[in-house]
Amino acid sequence: AMQLTQSPSSLSASVGDRVTISCRASQGISSALAWYQQKPGKAPKLLIYDASSLESGVPSRFSGSGSGTDFTLTISSLQPEDFATYYCQQFKNYPPLTFGGGTKVEIK
Amino acid sequence: EVQLLESGGGLIQPGGSLRLSCAASGFTFKKYAMSWVRQAPGKGLEWVSGISGSGGGTDYADSVKGRFIISRDNSNNTLYLQMKSLRADDTAVYYCAKSPAYNYYYFMDVWGKGTTVGVSS
Repeated sequence: AMQLTQSPSSLSASVGDRVTISCRASQGISSALAWYQQKPGKAPKLLIYDASSLESGVPSRFSGSGSGTDFTLTISSLQPEDFATYYCQQFKNYPPLTFGGGTKVEIK
Repeated sequence: EVQLLESGGGLIQPGGSLRLSCAASGFTFKKYAMSWVRQAPGKGLEWVSGISGSGGGTDYADSVKGRFIISRDNSNNTLYLQMKSLRADDTAVYYCAKSPAYNYYYFMDVWGKGTTVGVSS
């Protein structure tokens, strides 16, 4: 099955920092990638789909880029409510749909 | 408001069976594919199963194939996951999630709050 590798697995950052999270696919997936945010005890929330399309209602400080095998989620200016775990997910080659292992963004 | 509400979780012994339900509201349920996604304690997300809008197409993760059955009742706007031969590694929060398309799972644009399944003797 398709593998998605996220890096780093965790990071510490301060409010106002620019944060980038990487997701690498084991095979080319064109732009068939989504990003989710999950806070403790809550369901995941869709942020980005088709690698770079912002879901309605998601702040513009979130952006996605990439195609093929390498993708990036960027938070341009980290806000207190952005401390969470972020997951990428591919939907090019399924079943199964696959998720990355997650990146936990913590307060420095 | 678009909403998904899971129910049916609980504590069950290994080898037992359980049926999860997901009640959908706020959208035309039959027009969208649906998935179940689970999250073991302290772990990441794992897609479990998906079903097309009509219910005619279903898919499963290898880890549950032959033990779980996904189904839907479009007249009652409800998604189901019948789980049997449960094992300790099935312990997780199970989320119901909506796809933005009819026949394909794609990504998940709406998620329920989840229901917890614990498998232990």
